[in-house]
Amino acid sequence: DAGVIQSPRHEVTEMGQEVTLRCKPISGHNSLFWYRQTMMRGLELLIYFNNNVPIDDSGMPEDRFSAKMPNASFSTLKIQPSEPRDSAVYFCASSSSGRGIEQFFGPGTRLTVL
Amino acid sequence: EDQVTQSPEALRLQEGESSSLNCSYTVSGLRGLFWYRQDPGKGPEFLFTLYSAGEEKEKERLKATLTKKESFLHITAPKPEDSATYLCAVFGSGNTGKLIFGQGTTLQVKP
Repeated sequence: DAGVIQSPRHEVTEMGQEVTLRCKPISGHNSLFWYRQTMMRGLELLIYFNNNVPIDDSGMPEDRFSAKMPNASFSTLKIQPSEPRDSAVYFCASSSSGRGIEQFFGPGTRLTVL
Repeated sequence: EDQVTQSPEALRLQEGESSSLNCSYTVSGLRGLFWYRQDPGKGPEFLFTLYSAGEEKEKERLKATLTKKESFLHITAPKPEDSATYLCAVFGSGNTGKLIFGQGTTLQVKP
């Protein structure tokens, strides 16, 4: 089975530009999570969806960040406008409430904002 | 507030030198404690889930144990390929769906 798929793997952009990160969860999983990882703060949960509905977005740093999950097989995390402090690795993870609560992570998107 | 603290931050071992990593936690209504392995440039890879105090799980040279306040990841006779960052996370009844991660322990095993 394919794992969680994220694109792009690397993104370099300039301050003020819009950035869109994409995620395809594991087929059959009904929960999807967006995390950000930095050296200073470690892994932080930004937002998670259950059955395509946002459940908790308290980790979203500010209004510049938004996330959508239009269907069970696709989610986006958008940053507009981007700032240098948004530079981090962004991970998407998915889980199946029917099988357990383990979360399976994608390979991540390394974002650099100049 | 649920909290996870891992120690040490970094650990250097010689190949074959067994040791343990610690994960201390405070959580309201533990529903699961997780161990992940993360290699540089990759996403965390799921290792174990522990659900209740006294539970143990093993995988190759790794053994995870759980008490009411902490979990240990025991590494027996490690090899250089065990070098990675090991992350601990908890899932509590008060944080529906959310994993709370520790900062991780970076393990380096020298040949």
